[in-house]
Amino acid sequence: NAGVTQTPKFQVLKTGQSMTLQCAQDMNHNSMYWYRQDPGMGLRLIYYSASEGTTDKGEVPNGYNVSRLNKREFSLRLESAAPSQTSVYFCASRPTSGETGELFFGEGSRLTVL
Amino acid sequence: AQSVSQHNHHVILSEAASLELGCNYSYGGTVNLFWYVQYPGQHLQLLLKYFSGDPLVKGIKGFEAEFIKSKFSFNLRKPSVQWSDTAEYFCAVRERGGGKLIFGQGTELSVKP
Repeated sequence: NAGVTQTPKFQVLKTGQSMTLQCAQDMNHNSMYWYRQDPGMGLRLIYYSASEGTTDKGEVPNGYNVSRLNKREFSLRLESAAPSQTSVYFCASRPTSGETGELFFGEGSRLTVL
Repeated sequence: AQSVSQHNHHVILSEAASLELGCNYSYGGTVNLFWYVQYPGQHLQLLLKYFSGDPLVKGIKGFEAEFIKSKFSFNLRKPSVQWSDTAEYFCAVRERGGGKLIFGQGTELSVKP
């Protein structure tokens, strides 16, 4: 039972570099999310995708782009990384049908921008 | 826009003490409410959720929460905490039928043995 898989788990970048965080789920869920977690600020929604081919901005979308490649995959891209983007990033998915509401989280990707 | 506020940033209790963590949200419409827990080094897991019906919701590991609509609150309670409850707890809200799930700032709970 893989659930939600994120790669990489750890990454160190220099300011200005770009990178993509990958997320894949094998639960046939419709909705997928990207959050960032920072001390004292909880989880803040960056982007989410209600279904394949659709994406919407969350609370803190600036500096990020996303791509819902297919139903399984939802990637998060940092085009020009900044130290303020040092954080732990969590991908999550949710089945839309049945309204169970529960999000299933990946194990997180710790990103450090120097 | 929805927002969620958790009153306590860090709570320290001794084992067997009772726990109550506050959560208030701002949204005028119908909402779904959640409490998630994050144990050290792990990802978030669902503790309990409220969709409709009985405002007193029971979750896993002896936790419960009460939805008080008039106060826009969804406080988490446990009668007797254990050392293994040491974790960070997050309240979250979603507009009924909507997609965005908004989290509070989190409350770190430390339970002393």
